[in-house]
Amino acid sequence: DTGVSQNPRHKITKRGQNVTFRCDPISEHNRLYWYRQTLGQGPEFLTYFQNEAQLEKSRLLSDRFSAERPKGSFSTLEIQRTEQGDSAMYLCASSFSSGTYYEQYFGPGTRLTVT
Amino acid sequence: DQQVKQNSPSLSVQEGRISILNCDYTNSMFDYFLWYKKYPAEGPTFLISISSIKDKNEDGRFTVFLNKSAKHLSLHIVPSQPGDSAVYFCAVINTGGFKTIFGAGTRLFVKA
Repeated sequence: DTGVSQNPRHKITKRGQNVTFRCDPISEHNRLYWYRQTLGQGPEFLTYFQNEAQLEKSRLLSDRFSAERPKGSFSTLEIQRTEQGDSAMYLCASSFSSGTYYEQYFGPGTRLTVT
Repeated sequence: DQQVKQNSPSLSVQEGRISILNCDYTNSMFDYFLWYKKYPAEGPTFLISISSIKDKNEDGRFTVFLNKSAKHLSLHIVPSQPGDSAVYFCAVINTGGFKTIFGAGTRLFVKA
């Protein structure tokens, strides 16, 4: 396993369209996180899964955003009716749930541009 | 509300000298303090951490210092190398927690 992967790496979409991103975590990690990063800022927490259960959602995650992690493996993040303000880098990370749980392994991110 | 602040957007250092990156936080209840490094087109990579019960942790060229009374964290890189040029994020997390709170980052330039 070579690390966390994310697809696509780049996505350009028109305002109002729906987009879906995929994250494949490190296989032995049972925690999965989604973050959003805008220019000049650090990653901002969006949501978190322990196995297949979504245990926390940030208030940054509006009703247009939905995340799933079926079977506790890969995860998808969908944004409906995209807006220009959704343009950002979307980062996925995974970690163990014990021991060095605080050390999160990040994927390369999906850069979303909404025109 | 910014719970983690990195007040220096950038820092330039000569190769071989010490780089000192600073971070301030507001909540004294945080348990772990972390530094991540990020190269362009890559996700952040965990670098080093320190528990709230310690005041120093060293890993090779990297040392993190924690001053709990001042709510201040710093990362020292000695000696600095051109390959250290990256964005460095300070971050905090609570024991057993999942939500990592990141600062805005400091871009380090190490000149050869």
